[in-house]
Amino acid sequence: GIQVEQSPPDLILQEGANSTLRCNFSDSVNNLQWFHQNPWGQLINLFYIPSGTKQNGRLSATTVATERYSLLYISSSQTTDSGVYFCAVTRITGGGNKLTFGTGTQLKVEL
Amino acid sequence: DVKVTQSSRYLVKRTGEKVFLECVQDMDHENMFWYRQDPGLGLRLIYFSYDVKMKEKGDIPEGYSVSREKKERFSLILESASTNQTSMYLCASSSLSAGDAQHFGDGTRLSIL
Repeated sequence: GIQVEQSPPDLILQEGANSTLRCNFSDSVNNLQWFHQNPWGQLINLFYIPSGTKQNGRLSATTVATERYSLLYISSSQTTDSGVYFCAVTRITGGGNKLTFGTGTQLKVEL
Repeated sequence: DVKVTQSSRYLVKRTGEKVFLECVQDMDHENMFWYRQDPGLGLRLIYFSYDVKMKEKGDIPEGYSVSREKKERFSLILESASTNQTSMYLCASSSLSAGDAQHFGDGTRLSIL
């Protein structure tokens, strides 16, 4: 099946810092989503971005489908950004609509 | 906005009990999914359904069954709960369009004692 790798696995930031999270995937995809899982376990949709660039406030994401990677940018980080960030994809062929998740990036933003 | 509602945020059951986890979505989505999440293992697909009364096994279906009698509702059933089914369970839905975004419920933390 498709492999999804995220880096870094852990990240500690001072409030106000910027960061870039990366997601590499091993096959062509027709869906890529970024999620934020908060400390209460809720999985929040951040972006649906199979290709191109999107921005939402302090967050933005870019997917380069031909090179099989996606980046999530967090600017001016806040303590409420803490949690786990997941990338998840569905394959173009043979995968139906099943999402395959990466193992996540654990982010902690400190004062 | 899409709303996916799971019936319980926290649930405690005993070994051997039959356990039902309920999920309802309000967007007339064809696809519905059940995942479990465990530390170090990430999110893994248990079952999914692409239509009423239709179901397909995911990556870890053993010990589970599902029911989809109505389009908006997808139930996960633990036939005889065991301690290794203690986990966080997440339900999701999406439209039938290939690659459409999946929307998740808030999750159910299930403990089997």
